[in-house]
Amino acid sequence: QQQVKQSPQSLIVQKGGISIINCAYENTAFDYFPWYQQFPGKGPALLIAIRPDVSEKKEGRFTISFNKSAKQFSLHIMDSQPGDSATYFCAASGRGETSGSRLTFGEGTQLTVNP
Amino acid sequence: KAGVTQTPRYLIKTRGQQVTLSCSPISGHRSVSWYQQTPGQGLQFLFEYFSETQRNKGNFPGRFSGRQFSNSRSEMNVSTLELGDSALYLCASSLDPASRAYEQYFGPGTRLTVT
Repeated sequence: QQQVKQSPQSLIVQKGGISIINCAYENTAFDYFPWYQQFPGKGPALLIAIRPDVSEKKEGRFTISFNKSAKQFSLHIMDSQPGDSATYFCAASGRGETSGSRLTFGEGTQLTVNP
Repeated sequence: KAGVTQTPRYLIKTRGQQVTLSCSPISGHRSVSWYQQTPGQGLQFLFEYFSETQRNKGNFPGRFSGRQFSNSRSEMNVSTLELGDSALYLCASSLDPASRAYEQYFGPGTRLTVT
């Protein structure tokens, strides 16, 4: 059962533009929402993460917006650069000692930033 | 601080064989999780080990097993390999789920090809 749905599957933006990737979840027990960036041949790298007690978190050009009532969260990449071209995954994990390290991932978004 | 290391990086095995993959977590991290990444199924959780105990298990057959040693290093084993087991196997480490330090850091993965 897919519990985290991610869109779009692929995204092409121009250099300097804004990239927006959306995710929706079903499980209300989720309380930690990270985003990962993966380059070909590499493992996913933690980019930024948010908890449901805040609606937005910003780190440099990367911002997470979180809507708890809609059970949706999104990643915004401002001033997108060709070096940002990668696959982006949203994920979620839940409360409790035994579930905290189990990440449920979205399907991934292939981002291409044209120069 | 050194990141998560995985060995070997690449592996080619024949159907019916077994394989053992190794993961060394970030120093001080006590939780190790394993994930399988394939183009069709995406990133899927296999299992998590903490203090040498399996704390959480994903929906994979019993051919997939793992263990964790007292120094937090972990191994996963796949017996009776099938063609569908060809994937990138990722290891992730985190500090301690009980402290809600959910940040997971991934290694580069082991690319397993079953022929």
